[in-house]
Amino acid sequence: DAKTTQPTSMDCAEGRAANLPCNHSTISGNEYVYWYRQIHSQGPQYIIHGLKNNETNEMASLIITEDRKSSTLILPHATLRDTAVYYCIVRVDPRDDKIIFGKGTRLHILP
Amino acid sequence: EAQVTQNPRYLITVTGKKLTVTCSQNMNHEYMSWYRQDPGLGLRQIYYSMNVEVTDKGDVPEGYKVSRKEKRNFPLILESPSPNQTSLYFCASSWSSGSAIGRQYFGPGTRLTVT
Repeated sequence: DAKTTQPTSMDCAEGRAANLPCNHSTISGNEYVYWYRQIHSQGPQYIIHGLKNNETNEMASLIITEDRKSSTLILPHATLRDTAVYYCIVRVDPRDDKIIFGKGTRLHILP
Repeated sequence: EAQVTQNPRYLITVTGKKLTVTCSQNMNHEYMSWYRQDPGLGLRQIYYSMNVEVTDKGDVPEGYKVSRKEKRNFPLILESPSPNQTSLYFCASSWSSGSAIGRQYFGPGTRLTVT
């Protein structure tokens, strides 16, 4: 079972910030949170990851709550090309190196 | 160019006919993995490998085999394919240390149909 919970789908207007939430209430202290996106049936693409602090790169920002039980991926100025399924994942158990993706959030960018 | 390649990209086969899907990466990554993706079920990990000659089961390993004889290659073998293995398959690779293991590079996918 996935260790993360995400809304099934979300809409966002083009040009606005898209804020995608993820709950990971059972995350352990040394587990990272990773975000990926998958456009249509292409291979998933890594976006960003973090442990405790907020992170930003050229694609997005990641906000992790202080208790680390949830996070939010922010796409600051969404475009139609950001329409995709977004996955939030955490390592299941660093000792066995499995990775579980879950079902993700389907983000629709509205023109 | 850093990449993960998979072959074939599309395959239609019949039940019971052994097949191999190849995966190769040119980034010298230690960690490699296979996933399948089915409608409504998301991405599920089949097998993964931390390094040469080291492989482990993911969440859905039944009906699949893998081998890791060379660092760059991680073939997925279906000894006796069945229709329930019709799916979209992805290979991925990453570094294996610390947080890097979760930063995976994915191949373009192989769409397999078993009739």
